[in-house]
Amino acid sequence: AQSVAQPEDQVNVAEGNPLTVKCTYSVSGNPYLFWYVQYPNRGLQFLLKYITGDNLVKGSYGFEAEFNKSQTSFHLKKPSALVSDSALYFCVPRAYSGAGSYQLTFGKGTKLSVIP
Amino acid sequence: NAGVTQTPKFRVLKTGQSMTLLCAQDMNHEYMYWYRQDPGMGLRLIHYSVGEGTTAKGEVPDGYNVSRLKKQNFLLGLESAAPSQTSVYFCASSYSGQGNQPQHFGDGTRLSIL
Repeated sequence: AQSVAQPEDQVNVAEGNPLTVKCTYSVSGNPYLFWYVQYPNRGLQFLLKYITGDNLVKGSYGFEAEFNKSQTSFHLKKPSALVSDSALYFCVPRAYSGAGSYQLTFGKGTKLSVIP
Repeated sequence: NAGVTQTPKFRVLKTGQSMTLLCAQDMNHEYMYWYRQDPGMGLRLIHYSVGEGTTAKGEVPDGYNVSRLKKQNFLLGLESAAPSQTSVYFCASSYSGQGNQPQHFGDGTRLSIL
């Protein structure tokens, strides 16, 4: 089974500062992990994923995430935050749903506010 | 490229009324999903489909029915709407059901049941 924890319901960061949205995972087997973003009144958008390979994953809009096996973390980062990055961010594991299929399980997410 | 399109975007119903939400995707994806998003609850899977003519129950299927008569369309029905079904409904599609490909989402249908 795979599950994640986003320990912060809300993160505030000043515009231009680096941002981090934290995610820790608990898995049996190989972890499949995604980050999604939801802007106000919009659907979720895929940012990046880790399946195998390089631990540093680069994604859309200048975001990246580092898969850290020893710390069981997959934190989302960006070097310089923009006001337009204000949104709800989801760290998403896959979960086996039977009959050879898997689902993505979406929690409550972390609300990021970038302050001008 | 439209991606995933949901209609309608907004709807207000009275308790006991019925309605159908339509989801259409133009990416030739096999897998399609219906979620509901409620404050403090995250997204919860209602039903999903692994291909044309197939449907399966998700985490919260009660009170909803679905149909996938065409590969590009996935319909969610409420036979007798209840206030507890007030929510934002999202449709998504994906190329693979192995959890190694991203799901693509529509912009949602905001449904209020009075």
